[in-house]
Amino acid sequence: AQSVSQHNHHVILSEAASLELGCNYSYGGTVNLFWYVQYPGQHLQLLLKYFSGDPLVKGIKGFEAEFIKSKFSFNLRKPSVQWSDTAEYFCAVSFGTGTASKLTFGTGTRLQVTL
Amino acid sequence: DTGVSQDPRHKITKRGQNVTFRCDPISEHNRLYWYRQTLGQGPEFLTYFQNEAQLEKSRLLSDRFSAERPKGSFSTLEIQRTEQGDSAMYLCASSSFGLAGGNLYNEQFFGPGTRLTVL
Repeated sequence: AQSVSQHNHHVILSEAASLELGCNYSYGGTVNLFWYVQYPGQHLQLLLKYFSGDPLVKGIKGFEAEFIKSKFSFNLRKPSVQWSDTAEYFCAVSFGTGTASKLTFGTGTRLQVTL
Repeated sequence: DTGVSQDPRHKITKRGQNVTFRCDPISEHNRLYWYRQTLGQGPEFLTYFQNEAQLEKSRLLSDRFSAERPKGSFSTLEIQRTEQGDSAMYLCASSSFGLAGGNLYNEQFFGPGTRLTVL
């Protein structure tokens, strides 16, 4: 079955540290890739997306992600985190080019940024 | 506010009761999705509509669950004879879709969710 894995369940960083969150999926075909963020008490918000083209995607708030097809990965990065980045981060994948485009989510990574 | 809205935000019910949730999508979006999220997990797909047609249902959607989108606008999700295992956050998302590089894509926007607690 198609699946999405996020191996880091809980990450604690100091402000200004660099961030990389892993996301891997199991599917050899065409995918659309997303990162969503959920700040405490708020709903899921789209951070960035990849549909085609340049595999390095820039999103909001200084986040970026790189699609590496050979590794089935879409890792999220930020060079310098801020306290306000404390949130839960979800990787999501839409498998195939069918019209359903339902999302399969990873289990999420809780990021805690300390001052 | 032109985002996805859901009502109620919280629902507490006793086992065996029926509950109904409502989702109002972004007005120009013709696709509407329902997901369920339990503690420590990512959202899991339940079902989706294109306009008023329900085009796919997950195996998670038992026959106690029914969803409708009668006029292709708002949608309702009903759970009959609730069980404690139904306790979760129920999320609604809507999307438009297009083409990029030959790929059909859509970008889903999520509502705040309805948190269901079954006692």
